[in-house]
Amino acid sequence: SQQGEEDPQALSIQEGENATMNCSYKTSINNLQWYRQNSGRGLVHLILIRSNEREKHSGRLRVTLDTSKKSSSLLITASRAADTASYFCATDARNYGGSQGNLIFGKGTKLSVKP
Amino acid sequence: DTAVSQTPKYLVTQMGNDKSIKCEQNLGHDTMYWYKQDSKKFLKIMFSYNNKELIINETVPNRFSPKSPDKAHLNLHINSLELGDSAVYFCASSQRGVEKLFFGSGTQLSVL
Repeated sequence: SQQGEEDPQALSIQEGENATMNCSYKTSINNLQWYRQNSGRGLVHLILIRSNEREKHSGRLRVTLDTSKKSSSLLITASRAADTASYFCATDARNYGGSQGNLIFGKGTKLSVKP
Repeated sequence: DTAVSQTPKYLVTQMGNDKSIKCEQNLGHDTMYWYKQDSKKFLKIMFSYNNKELIINETVPNRFSPKSPDKAHLNLHINSLELGDSAVYFCASSQRGVEKLFFGSGTQLSVL
């Protein structure tokens, strides 16, 4: 079953505005990651937040994690046209033995930043 | 240099054919994966290999067989292709468990 689910499915904003995407998940996690996918390309890792962290920053990215609500948000500040992409959250699933686990992706939020 | 490279980028074939997709990573990672992304962009893991050993084999038809000749390569062979196999297949690798995966650029498979 799907672990992560992003909201909204699509988001259209003007350049310079902030973009906020949310992710909800179902089971306990070790960490939550956000990835970006440009059209026709592979996914690129953006940021990882561990289950004992509440907030993390990387450049114009800010990620929050609320384990009590099983949710995370990704904020992109001062968006640019180049930020246009799909954004996915991914959580590790603890239902496999060993240390490898399994990374489960949500369906993604399609962000469009208009110049 | 491309970190995770997969070939071919596009693959168009007829139903019933057998095809392979190759993947190589030059990052020195121990773990490699195959993911399938459907037309709705839903990404689902198919296989995971750690140092040439199969770790995860999700509910994937037996027609799909991964082969890892060494830890830098993980190829995907598909027998008797079906229409429903049409999707984008991504290879990925990681050094430390499932933290920070590096993805290839994908292989768009179209079965006619």
